[in-house]
Amino acid sequence: AQKVTQAQTEISVVEKEDVTLDCVYETRDTTYYLFWYKQPPSGELVFLIRRNSFDEQNEISGRYSWNFQKSTSSFNFTITASQVVDSAVYFCALSEKGTSYDKVIFGPGTSLSVIP
Amino acid sequence: GAVVSQHPSRVICKSGTSVKIECRSLDFQATTMFWYRQFPKKSLMLMATSNEGSKATYEQGVEKDKFLINHASLTLSTLTVTSAHPEDSSFYICSARDPAFYGYTFGSGTRLTVV
Repeated sequence: AQKVTQAQTEISVVEKEDVTLDCVYETRDTTYYLFWYKQPPSGELVFLIRRNSFDEQNEISGRYSWNFQKSTSSFNFTITASQVVDSAVYFCALSEKGTSYDKVIFGPGTSLSVIP
Repeated sequence: GAVVSQHPSRVICKSGTSVKIECRSLDFQATTMFWYRQFPKKSLMLMATSNEGSKATYEQGVEKDKFLINHASLTLSTLTVTSAHPEDSSFYICSARDPAFYGYTFGSGTRLTVV
């Protein structure tokens, strides 16, 4: 069973629009970490955020914000006032205490295209 | 922050030859490194966990004789694709856990093309 689900395969938005990327995860561990990574066309993975399972506070970093809700096992990512440079594939990922956090399970990714 | 350097970024090789990819942690010691493979427009799949001074742990379905991993020092892990075939063409990316930050830092990836 897929442990990290990103239901949106591809999203296109017009520049300056807000966009939310969905992430739903599945784990039996009570202790785990969730991540978001950005993969631009160059291929490298850019770390965006890490959140542990005990911290449900939402976080805002510039135009980026994250909504972590344990009740729905979701960790959604919103980009406000999107820009062309935001075009990339975004991965949500999970690592669990049960595997000593060594296995990072990636979701299938959401390809975001921001159109000027 | 922690930096992981991966080389080469691109490599083209002939079928039957072997290719070595290096992954270095530049400003921290990494007792454990991870190797991923990514097919076009697909997600990252963990291939193996590389442990300094011991054998790598391979994920189910990954041929250990095809993908040789060596982690000879606390800052270097290598992945050698042996007797490469066109189906081995892929994007390979390594990562290491930064103990100071508790996150995973990724290398810039290696795009392997076997012709």
